[in-house]
Amino acid sequence: DGGITQSPKYLFRKEGQNVTLSCEQNLNHDAMYWYRQDPGQGLRLIYYSQIVNDFQKGDIAEGYSVSREKKESFPLTVTSAQKNPTAFYLCASESRRQGAFFGQGTRLTVV
Amino acid sequence: DAKTTQPNSMESNEEEPVHLPCNHSTISGTDYIHWYRQLPSQGPEYVIHGLTSNVNNRMASLAIAEDRKSSTLILHRATLRDAAVYYCIHGGTSYGKLTFGQGTILTVHP
Repeated sequence: DGGITQSPKYLFRKEGQNVTLSCEQNLNHDAMYWYRQDPGQGLRLIYYSQIVNDFQKGDIAEGYSVSREKKESFPLTVTSAQKNPTAFYLCASESRRQGAFFGQGTRLTVV
Repeated sequence: DAKTTQPNSMESNEEEPVHLPCNHSTISGTDYIHWYRQLPSQGPEYVIHGLTSNVNNRMASLAIAEDRKSSTLILHRATLRDAAVYYCIHGGTSYGKLTFGQGTILTVHP
């Protein structure tokens, strides 16, 4: 089945640790995105990539890093520099004509 | 950035039609209009999209104004499962930097 997969579904991080969230798609989409969502809020763009080996900062990139070495994969690292990382993280890929497809999200909690 | 304006919230009764409006005055000629909805603790899901003509699918209808500066998502018979946050965005020329507004919280009453 074609789709976009995020893992893990739940993730716990100790303060000061870096963690990496996985996002894989087999839809052959060029564009991929990472969003952050806080309770009762909309989606805020962290990073986006329009093509392999290229990515751009979104509106709230500080404390995050990404890579795009393969078309299918766009992992997000939440670094220790992110002061308030507890949130729901959503990954998406986009077809120019069909729109965006989202993963089911990763809920990150700092303990 | 592609900006849209939607009401913060709307309410409906079950089995009644719902018309969710969206203003997108900065839309360009090649931008598609997309609608998504998000249930609690889930990723947004695609609802419908269109370019110029009105569109229908099994979930909803999309009515696009002649000048394309606004559109309306129509749920013909709201059910409790339609309660969600509905987002309107326009892509195409904004392809590769998809940004969402706050969306409309739809409440459906039994």
